[in-house]
Formats: sequence, structure tokens, C-alpha cells
Amino acid sequence: DIQMTQSPSSLSASVGDRVTITCQASQDINNYLNWYQQKPGRAPNLLIYGASNLETGVPSRFSGSGSGTDFTFVISDLQPEDIATYYCQHSDNLLRFTFGPGTKVDVK
Amino acid sequence: QVHLVESGGGVVQPGRSLRLSCSASGFTFNSCAMHWVRQAPGKGLDWVAVIWDDGTNKYYADSVEGRFTVSRDTSESTLYLQMSSLRAEDTAVYYCARDRKLCSGDTCYGEAIDIWGQGTMVTVSS
Repeated sequence: DIQMTQSPSSLSASVGDRVTITCQASQDINNYLNWYQQKPGRAPNLLIYGASNLETGVPSRFSGSGSGTDFTFVISDLQPEDIATYYCQHSDNLLRFTFGPGTKVDVK
Repeated sequence: QVHLVESGGGVVQPGRSLRLSCSASGFTFNSCAMHWVRQAPGKGLDWVAVIWDDGTNKYYADSVEGRFTVSRDTSESTLYLQMSSLRAEDTAVYYCARDRKLCSGDTCYGEAIDIWGQGTMVTVSS
């Protein structure tokens, strides 16, 4: 089974900062990697799919990159409403999902 | 408008059973694979099970294999999760979720969840 790791597990940054989160897969997953945002008390929301494609309606300050085993998620200009936990996710060819452990983002 | 509404959660004793339901509306239910994802209090997302669009294939997380069964009723646009031999570690909010195949032109990127229900809480406690 493929395992997903994320780092850091949490971070605190100032409004306007650039925030970077990494996700690593235990084996090559091509670019089958998605990113979700989950705000407290809410269901998750898809932000990035296929490692680097911005979901419709998602602000352009969110971006993703990577392929193979190493992936990066960036918030280029952190806003107060970006306080949330961010998860990476992979799906295999049987539609079984694996989520990363999550990165909690706070604003200083 | 696309909606998923879960029901059936509650407090149950260890070893007992519970069935969750998820009523779908606003889309063609039998055209989409469907998932159950859970989240223990203060913890991350934990994928539980998937059932393909035609109901022929079902897959489970190792932690629930043999104890949980996912099913769907196309005529009722309803997804189910039958949970048996429940354990304290099954305590979580259970989300019903719609699968979306990620393809753009000839390029595909796997699958994602594009619609989530509001979740239903299951507490396993004596």
C-alpha cells in the first residue's frame, strides 16, 4: 500500500507570507495527487488536482507542483481565511484513497 | 443543487452494529462512485470504503475490512454503510462523498472527492 507523509504537521505564519507544505508518497504515483483544505467544523474542499491543476473557483494564491514521489503545495500570499488544515490525497486504480496526515496552518 | 445528507449516527456499545445512510440529490447517482471517509475527533481524514458506480466493486480500508459493508440503492439514490463489531477506535464523524474522475481532454489524474456530506457522528462507547 502507498503511504503519504506531509510536513510540517503544523505551522504559523503572518498574513502575506508564502507558505509551503510538502507531501511525499512511498512510491511513484505520477501526478495522481490532490490537495484539500478543511476549515474547522467543515467538510474538506478540493483545491488542487493532478498535482498542479487549480480547481475551478479556487483563488490563484494556491498552487501545487511535483511528480513521482515529491509534491509541494504553496499559499503565495497567506490570508486570514486560509486558517485550515491541508491534506494531500492519492487514489489508486481501484479508487482506494490515501490521505496524508494533514498540515494545520495558523495565522500569527 | 448537489446534496449529500448522512443519517444514522449515534452512540453504540462496543461490539454492536449500526447502519449509516446517505441520501443523494442533484446529480445522476448511478454515474458516480461513492466513498465513506471518517474523521476521529481532532484527527485527520481516514478513508473507509468505496463502491463503484455500478455497485460491482467495493473496496475497504484494512481497519474495517470484514466488519463494514458498503452498498447502494440506485432506485433510492442512497448510499449505505453497515458497520458491525464496532470498536472504540471507530468513533468518528462519517462523511459520505462523491467521487470525481479527474480528466482533462486525453489526460487523466486519478480521482478526487468533489462533494461531501455534512457528516454524521458515530460514538462507540459503553
